[in-house]
Amino acid sequence: DTGVSQDPRHKITKRGQNVTFRCDPISEHNRLYWYRQTLGQGPEFLTYFQNEAQLEKSRLLSDRFSAERPKGSFSTLEIQRTEQGDSAMYLCASSLSGSYSYEQYFGPGTRLTVT
Amino acid sequence: ELKVEQNPLFLSMQEGKNYTIYCNYSTTSDRLYWYRQDPGKSLESLFVLLSNGAVKQEGRLMASLDTKARLSTLHITAAVHDLSATYFCAVAPVGGDSNYQLIWGAGTKLIIKP
Repeated sequence: DTGVSQDPRHKITKRGQNVTFRCDPISEHNRLYWYRQTLGQGPEFLTYFQNEAQLEKSRLLSDRFSAERPKGSFSTLEIQRTEQGDSAMYLCASSLSGSYSYEQYFGPGTRLTVT
Repeated sequence: ELKVEQNPLFLSMQEGKNYTIYCNYSTTSDRLYWYRQDPGKSLESLFVLLSNGAVKQEGRLMASLDTKARLSTLHITAAVHDLSATYFCAVAPVGGDSNYQLIWGAGTKLIIKP
C-alpha cells in the first residue's frame, strides 16, 4: 500500500534561494492539494489540482509560489526567493473525486527552514 | 467569515480518565473530518462524519456530528498514553467544493500522563 509521498522530508535553505518540493499522490487519486502548516496551527490551504488542472489558489499564495502537476500524477511546489516567513511544514494530500467521503490522505510533509 | 473552533486547545489528563474535545463551526456543513497528528509527523485520518447524527467509534475514540448545532465531539474513553497527540477537526462547507474547501480548527493538543 503506497500512500502519499513527499520529497525531501527536510530542507534548509538560505533566504533568497529557490526551493522545490515534490509530491507523489496515491496512484488512483486524481485530486491533489498543497497545504502549509506552522507550529501550533492547523493546515492552511494553498492550492489544488484536479488531474493536471490547477483549479484553485489561495490568496496566501504569493507570486513567489508556483505549483505544477504536468501529467496529472506527481506535483511540484516551488518557492522563489525564500523568506524566513516561509519556514513551515508543507503538506501534500490527495483524494479521489467521486468518492462520497472526499477524504484527503496526507503525505509525511516537507519541513522547510529558511535561515 | 468561516470559522472552526476547537476547545480546549490544550488538554492534560491522566490515564484511565474520560474526556471530550469539542469542534464548533460557523457555516452549514454536512461533512466533518477528524485527524490526528503526532509531533513532527503528518496528519492521519481518524473519522469522516457525513450526516447529522453520525457516530463513529474506533477503539477508545468516538466521534459524533450534530449538524443542526454545528457541533462535533471527539470523546476519549479510558485514555491511554498512546493517544497523546494533536487532534484536528476540519469542516467542508455546503455549497463549496468539498474536495478542497476544508476549514480547519487550530487543533487540540492532548497529553495523557501515566
